[in-house]
Formats: sequence, C-alpha cells, structure tokens
Amino acid sequence: GAGVSQSPRYKVAKRGQDVALRCDPISGHVSLFWYQQALGQGPEFLTYFQNEAQLDKSGLPSDRFFAERPEGSVSTLKIQRTQQEDSAVYLCASSLGVSGTAFFGQGTRLTVV
Amino acid sequence: SQQGEEDPQALSIQEGENATMNCSYKTSINNLQWYRQNSGRGLVHLILIRSNEREKHSGRLRVTLDTSKKSSSLLITASRAADTASYFCATDERQAGTALIFGKGTTLSVSS
Repeated sequence: GAGVSQSPRYKVAKRGQDVALRCDPISGHVSLFWYQQALGQGPEFLTYFQNEAQLDKSGLPSDRFFAERPEGSVSTLKIQRTQQEDSAVYLCASSLGVSGTAFFGQGTRLTVV
Repeated sequence: SQQGEEDPQALSIQEGENATMNCSYKTSINNLQWYRQNSGRGLVHLILIRSNEREKHSGRLRVTLDTSKKSSSLLITASRAADTASYFCATDERQAGTALIFGKGTTLSVSS
C-alpha cells in the first residue's frame, strides 16, 4: 500500500474486554514496530518484528499484551483484559531495515472505560 | 523507556522567527532522526543524521549532531504557522540494533 494503515482508528473498550489492533505495513518493509503513546508523551517502544520473527518485546508492559506477525506482513497487537491505564494511542511503524527511516500509521486511539 | 530528552518542552514563537530544539541521548547510536507530529495524527519523518555526520540540511530544517556530547539540535528557519506541532528526536542504539527510541518531544507553537 501507499502507507502504513492501522485499524480501527478509534476503539472504546469496556474494562476487562479483549481488543485486537491491526497494522498493515508498507509492502516490502521488513521491520515493523509497535509503540504506545500516552497523551502529551513521546511514543514508548512496545515490540519489534523483523519479518515474522519478534526480535524484541521488551517494551510490552505486561503479559496481557501480545503481538504477532505470522506471515511477515500484517501485524496484530492484542490486549487482553483491558484496564484503564491501557488507554493510549497505539502507533505502528515499518521500515526497510532496523536502522533507518520509519514510516508511521495514523494510530489507533484506545479508550478503556 | 525513553532515550532522548528534548529541550525545551514547549516553545512559542512568531511567524518568521527561527525555532531551535535540542535533544540529548544516553548511549552510542547508529543514527538520530527527527519526527513531527501534528495533534491527533501520526508521526512524520523529517530528517535522519548518521552518527558520522555533523550537520544536515533539508529545506528550512538544519540538524546538527555532536556525538561527543550525545546531543542534537533541530533548527527550523523562517517558521510558519503550519510548523505548529510536536517534534521528537529518536535514536537507535548502535550495539543492540533495536527499534527507534523516542524522547518526550518539544511542542512548538507558531503564531501569525
């Protein structure tokens, strides 16, 4: 595609509900990143894939967070049993390699009520 | 965790003035990048400077990098109201080859 696409753009979840956020990276991009951005803060790294391999998941805040990229293209970030502190914008980015320009999607704004 | 720290946190200037934002980081890096984010939107890449470069220009943007001080600056010349946004620096750690780590950003407001 022309750019990184994320869906949904907005998601309201009741506390305790599971959610799944989707990211379609730029075609051919090997690396895919997930970030969490709280209001007024910079993006916080969550996890990183190179093709289908999850090379770094050190930023995932708890075992309720799970990400996958089974075919090395589309990625899904799943949050189980959502809590209010999970409310944030979740950003996905892709790049040709690890070190280089990352292209970001518009993000998914998650609100947990 | 956040690697970079931008300074100042907020900056208000008039159209036509120059805006300078600074970024400090902690570890050795492969490169440093600057991104812009308009309110409620995704991040847009502005410029990348490699660790062996000291200065880079792109249109009205000038970026410097001082690896001895682990710092970078972004200068926007002749600012416009459309430059109003948050600006973030992002680094990747040389050894780990990890993902970009962002600072907390500088919020720039340009009034006409």
